[in-house]
Amino acid sequence: KNQVEQSPQSLIILEGKNCTLQCNYTVSPFSNLRWYKQDTGRGPVSLTIMTFSENTKSNGRYTATLDADTKQSSLHITASQLSDSASYICVVTYNAGKSTFGDGTTLTVKP
Amino acid sequence: NAGVMQNPRHLVRRRGQEARLRCSPMKGHSHVYWYRQLPEEGLKFMVYLQKENIIDESGMPKERFSAEFPKEGPSILRIQQVVRGDSAAYFCASSSYSPSGLSYNEQFFGPGTRLTVL
Repeated sequence: KNQVEQSPQSLIILEGKNCTLQCNYTVSPFSNLRWYKQDTGRGPVSLTIMTFSENTKSNGRYTATLDADTKQSSLHITASQLSDSASYICVVTYNAGKSTFGDGTTLTVKP
Repeated sequence: NAGVMQNPRHLVRRRGQEARLRCSPMKGHSHVYWYRQLPEEGLKFMVYLQKENIIDESGMPKERFSAEFPKEGPSILRIQQVVRGDSAAYFCASSSYSPSGLSYNEQFFGPGTRLTVL
């Protein structure tokens, strides 16, 4: 069964600190992996997208890594800001168009 | 270039009524996806459509739910005889597809329609 599991389920950090979110998947055959940020009450917004040949990609303070061998990805957030408070969703695409979504990690950044 | 548009943003229906949710994809996108998000839960895939074709409806409930993406006009998600359990946020996403058949398949999401069933 194609699954995407994210951890932790929720995370609270202080403003300015770094954090890392994890995503493990069993999806096959792998096409690409995306991280989305979803603010409360809004639609998800893409942060990064990686194919199997890419093992790291950055978007500002967000850096995603991918290990296709172990089927793991991480999203690292540097120097967190209050506006980083959101749900972060890992999505793995397979079979040309089918995607499996993780349940997300809810990040709260406190002043 | 306008993003994915959904309307209405909020919809209130009484039990037994019909709900119609509309999604206009980004310009140039021919693929549309519908997702449901229950309160405090993650996004769940419902259906994937191309123009005039349903590609994958494995996440769609067998009864009362239907979706279409006509040659002209927006994609429609239709829920007949709504029940309280249908209350959720419904998100639409769209993507393009390269001629070679290879694509990042990056999906761009709309703001969602929040359906409340009384």
